[in-house]
Amino acid sequence: SQTIHQWPATLVQPVGSPLSLECTVEGTSNPNLYWYRQAAGRGLQLLFYSVGIGQISSEVPQNLSASRPQDRQFILSSKKLLLSDSGFYLCAWGRGGNTEAFFGQGTRLTVV
Amino acid sequence: AQSVTQLDSQVPVFEEAPVELRCNYSSSVSVYLFWYVQYPNQGLQLLLKYLSGSTLVESINGFEAEFNKSQTSFHLRKPSVHISDTAEYFCALSYTDKLIFGTGTRLQVFP
Repeated sequence: SQTIHQWPATLVQPVGSPLSLECTVEGTSNPNLYWYRQAAGRGLQLLFYSVGIGQISSEVPQNLSASRPQDRQFILSSKKLLLSDSGFYLCAWGRGGNTEAFFGQGTRLTVV
Repeated sequence: AQSVTQLDSQVPVFEEAPVELRCNYSSSVSVYLFWYVQYPNQGLQLLLKYLSGSTLVESINGFEAEFNKSQTSFHLRKPSVHISDTAEYFCALSYTDKLIFGTGTRLQVFP
C-alpha cells in the first residue's frame, strides 16, 4: 500500500531563517506531488505541484520554492522566512490525470 | 479559470439532524469533484468522489453527494449526523493534474 510521510509535525522558526520541509511517498512510482498551505478561512492554497523529477509548477509567486530531487521526494524551502509564511503545510500525492490526492499529516509552521 | 465555492463557512447542527454542505464550481472544461474531511491538526481524508457515471455518490459513513451539471453543484448531505462528524469539510475539483479546493465548511454537531 502507499504511504506518505511529512516532517516535522511542528516547527517554530524565527523571521529571516531558512526553511526545509520534506515529504516522501512510498509504495508507488512517478506520483504527482503537491504542496498546499492552509490558513484560517482561506482553505487550501495550492503552492506547487510536480508531475516528475525536476518538474515544478508554481501556482502562487511568493517567498517559497519547491524541488523534487527524487521520484518520491518533494521538498519545500525558503531562504528567509516571513511572518506571513506561518501556516499549516500539507504535502499530497496523486496518480495523475484527474484522480484524487492523498495527504500527509501536515506541518504546523509558526514564524516568530 | 476553474474555481470552487463553498457557500457556508460554518454549519451548526444538532445530533441526528440532517445536514447539507453546499459546493458550487466553475469550469470551462470537464472536471472531477471530491469531498475531503479534516479533523483537527490532521491531514485531509478523501470522503467521496465523482469521476463519471452515476451522479449520486456515497461514502462508507453515510454521506452522499450529487453532481448537478446544470447547477454546477456538488452538495454534500447526510440524513442524520453524529457528534463524531464534527470536522472541516472541503470540496475540491481536479483538472489537468491540479487539485484545487474551496475555503472549507466547519460542521459543528451539538448534542
